[in-house]
Amino acid sequence: DTGVSQDPRHKITKRGQNVTFRCDPISEHNRLYWYRQTLGQGPEFLTYFQNEAQLEKSRLLSDRFSAERPKGSFSTLEIQRTEQGDSAMYLCASSLSLGTEQYFGPGTRLTVT
Amino acid sequence: EDQVTQSPEALRLQEGESSSLNCSYTVSGLRGLFWYRQDPGKGPEFLFTLYSAGEEKEKERLKATLTKKESFLHITAPKPEDSATYLCAVRPEYGNKLVFGAGTILRVKS
Repeated sequence: DTGVSQDPRHKITKRGQNVTFRCDPISEHNRLYWYRQTLGQGPEFLTYFQNEAQLEKSRLLSDRFSAERPKGSFSTLEIQRTEQGDSAMYLCASSLSLGTEQYFGPGTRLTVT
Repeated sequence: EDQVTQSPEALRLQEGESSSLNCSYTVSGLRGLFWYRQDPGKGPEFLFTLYSAGEEKEKERLKATLTKKESFLHITAPKPEDSATYLCAVRPEYGNKLVFGAGTILRVKS
C-alpha cells in the first residue's frame, strides 16, 4: 500500500513535554498538509507545504507548533510545551501539484495528561 | 468567512432505507467541494470532488450532487457497512486548504 503514512499512531505525553510527529506522503505528491481534528468536529487546517516550502499557516498554529518538510519528502510536526488543549487527532494529507483531492493518512492521536 | 454546515448531525437508517445528507456552504469562490468518509479512529477517505453547479458523481450506493449553495450525498439502499461519519469540505478560491463541516454520523441497522 502506497498511501499516506503517519507515525506514531498514538502518543500519550505529560503536559509541558515536547512531541514530534512524522508524515510520509504519497511518493509522487508535491503538496503536504497538516490538520487537527477534535472529537465531533471536522478537520481544521494547520499548515501547507509545496515541496519543501511552507506556504500557508493557520492562525490556529501557535508559536509552540512548528512544521518542517526537509527535501520536500516527509514532514514533521513538533509541539513544544504541550497543553491539555492540544489533545486531538493530528492528520496529514497529500495531493498532486495540479490536483485538488487531498488523501489523508491514518492520523496520530495525541493525549496530553 | 468560509463556512460549511452539515445536517443532520446524526442519522439512523434501516438497511435498504434510502436517504440524503446535506452540506450547505458559504465560500469566497468555490474551487471544489469534497466528500469524505471517516471510520472511527481512522483518517478521512476520499469519495468525490464536485466543481460546478449541476454536477453529479456516483460510486456504488452513493451519489453526490452540487448546487450553488449546497451539496447532497444520496445513499440508496444502504447496508450496515455504509455506517461511518461523512464529511463535506470546500476549497476556497484563495489558498490550498480545505474547510470542513462537522460531519454527519450515519448508522445503518440490519
